[in-house]
Amino acid sequence: AQSVDQPDAHVTLSEGASLELRCSYSYSAAPYLFWYVQYPGQSLQFLLKYITGDTVVKGTKGFEAEFRKSNSSFNLKKSPAHWSDSAKYFCALPMNTEGADRLTFGKGTQLIIQP
Amino acid sequence: NAGVIQTPRHKVTGKGQEATLWCEPISGHSAVFWYRQTIVQGLEFLTYFRNQAPIDDSGMPKERFSAQMPNQSHSTLKIQSTQPQDSAVYLCASSLGHNNQAPLFGEGTRLSVL
Repeated sequence: AQSVDQPDAHVTLSEGASLELRCSYSYSAAPYLFWYVQYPGQSLQFLLKYITGDTVVKGTKGFEAEFRKSNSSFNLKKSPAHWSDSAKYFCALPMNTEGADRLTFGKGTQLIIQP
Repeated sequence: NAGVIQTPRHKVTGKGQEATLWCEPISGHSAVFWYRQTIVQGLEFLTYFRNQAPIDDSGMPKERFSAQMPNQSHSTLKIQSTQPQDSAVYLCASSLGHNNQAPLFGEGTRLSVL
């Protein structure tokens, strides 16, 4: 079964530091991978996706993610972090190999950026 | 462009009452999804429509939950005889329906069952 794991439930950083949120996956084919962000009291906003090609993909709000097939990871990065990046971040991938429509989500990582 | 619109934003029901949640997908999007979000379970897939046809309802609790998409501009999620454990944020999303398209989410409906 396809699955995604976000091992860090919480990450706390100081403003100006570099952030890296971890995501690992299990998928029986070439994966599509997604990152979403959820600000307090709001819904999920799409940040970026990996489909194929370049292993580093850039998204909105200054975020990028690196796809590493060798260790089945798709970590989200940003430098420097800003206090406004405080939110919950979700990694996602297709529920099955038929297509990317139905996504399964990780449990999320709550990011706190301290001023 | 308007995003996915969900109404109501908040709904409070008594145990045993019915709740109907509404979703208006982005115009031109052929795929509509329903998810449920709770603190304990996280984001759970419920059901999925493509071109108004039900494709996958594998995440739906079978007995009290139902979803419909009577036309391309709206979908409904109905919960009969609501129970406290149904309390959650129900999220609707839509996409163009292509394999690599990221679903875009509405603001959600927070359902509280007393």
